[in-house]
Amino acid sequence: DVKVTQSSRYLVKRTGEKVFLECVQDMDHENMFWYRQDPGLGLRLIYFSYDVKMKEKGDIPEGYSVSREKKERFSLILESASTNQTSMYLCASGRRGLLYEQYFGPGTRLTVT
Amino acid sequence: GQQVMQIPQYQHVQEGEDFTTYCNSSTTLSNIQWYKQRPGGHPVFLIQLVKSGEVKKQKRLTFQFGEAKKNSSLHITATQTTDVGTYFCAGNNNDMRFGAGTRLTVKP
Repeated sequence: DVKVTQSSRYLVKRTGEKVFLECVQDMDHENMFWYRQDPGLGLRLIYFSYDVKMKEKGDIPEGYSVSREKKERFSLILESASTNQTSMYLCASGRRGLLYEQYFGPGTRLTVT
Repeated sequence: GQQVMQIPQYQHVQEGEDFTTYCNSSTTLSNIQWYKQRPGGHPVFLIQLVKSGEVKKQKRLTFQFGEAKKNSSLHITATQTTDVGTYFCAGNNNDMRFGAGTRLTVKP
């Protein structure tokens, strides 16, 4: 059974803080993704990675960076958190290729005050 | 870039009524996936459609992929309270993009 875990379910940070969101998957998946979910906007892709040390920008990468030093771990970094980054952040993983589904973690509800 | 539009944004039905959500892409898709997110949960994969005109069924759920591979639909027959949640389509064309989702509520 695929398991995707995220470091926190809830997180409260102050404006300007550096924030790290961690995601770990246990199925040796090549692809990993970070999304943010906001009401009415669905799932918007921030960054994805198809291999260790590889990263690709999604649709809304501004204000974010990522790190993938190990295959099982994909980190999302908010360099200087802002209130408009208050959101639900979802990590997902999947096998390489277009024909494989994504497996999602439980999400991190981030509030920036 | 590729966009996937999904309608309606919300749908409230009486238990036993049918429900349909639609997805439209600005580009031809190689395949489309459907996910369900229960309230408080995370998206879970339901099904994938690959072929032009493909129709697949899962019990009361019917999924269709358009002939031009630019649109898709999910139809639920005789909704139940367990169907409550947000249904997302995700279109693949080199990269996968999710629609905004349709939030379904069911009144018992």
